[in-house]
Amino acid sequence: DGGITQSPKYLFRKEGQNVTLSCEQNLNHDAMYWYRQDPGQGLRLIYYSQIVNDFQKGDIAEGYSVSREKKESFPLTVTSAQKNPTAFYLCASSIRDSTEAFFGQGTRLTVV
Amino acid sequence: GEDVEQSLFLSVREGDSSVINCTYTDSSSTYLYWYKQEPGAGLQLLTYIFSNMDMKQDQRLTVLLNKKDKHLSLRIADTQTGDSAIYFCAETYSGNTPLVFGKGTRLSVIA
Repeated sequence: DGGITQSPKYLFRKEGQNVTLSCEQNLNHDAMYWYRQDPGQGLRLIYYSQIVNDFQKGDIAEGYSVSREKKESFPLTVTSAQKNPTAFYLCASSIRDSTEAFFGQGTRLTVV
Repeated sequence: GEDVEQSLFLSVREGDSSVINCTYTDSSSTYLYWYKQEPGAGLQLLTYIFSNMDMKQDQRLTVLLNKKDKHLSLRIADTQTGDSAIYFCAETYSGNTPLVFGKGTRLSVIA
């Protein structure tokens, strides 16, 4: 089955630790995106990548980093510089030059 | 900058129609989408409309677009308890630009 897989579904980390969220897709999509969702805030764009080895900052990139070494994978690292990391993180992908995005099931990160 | 506004809550009785409204500020918006999110899950694409259209119907879903007022609505006919979810409006103007989302409308369906 084709789709986008985010893992893990739930993640707990201690304050001050970096953590990496996984996003893998087998849809052969060129573009991938990371959004953060907070209650009552909707989805805010963190980073996106239109092609392998290239990515752009979104609206709230501070405290996050990404890499795009393979077409299928777009991992997101939440660094210790992110002041409020506890949130629901959503990964999406789309065909290049298409606006129709397909979403993974999300990772809920809790920092204690 | 781009902005998409939605009311946060809507409550309807089972069997009634639901109308979820959205306004956007970017007059160059070309592609407008409605996504559904069930609790603890990702977003599921429901339907979309292009800016050169006024209306689109897909089974129980009807999308209306008023470009002059930059207003988009999603009507769900014969609303069921399974329609309870958060509905997001999203827009963009090109295929190389990420979607901009509203804050979502939480639809509660009362049996």
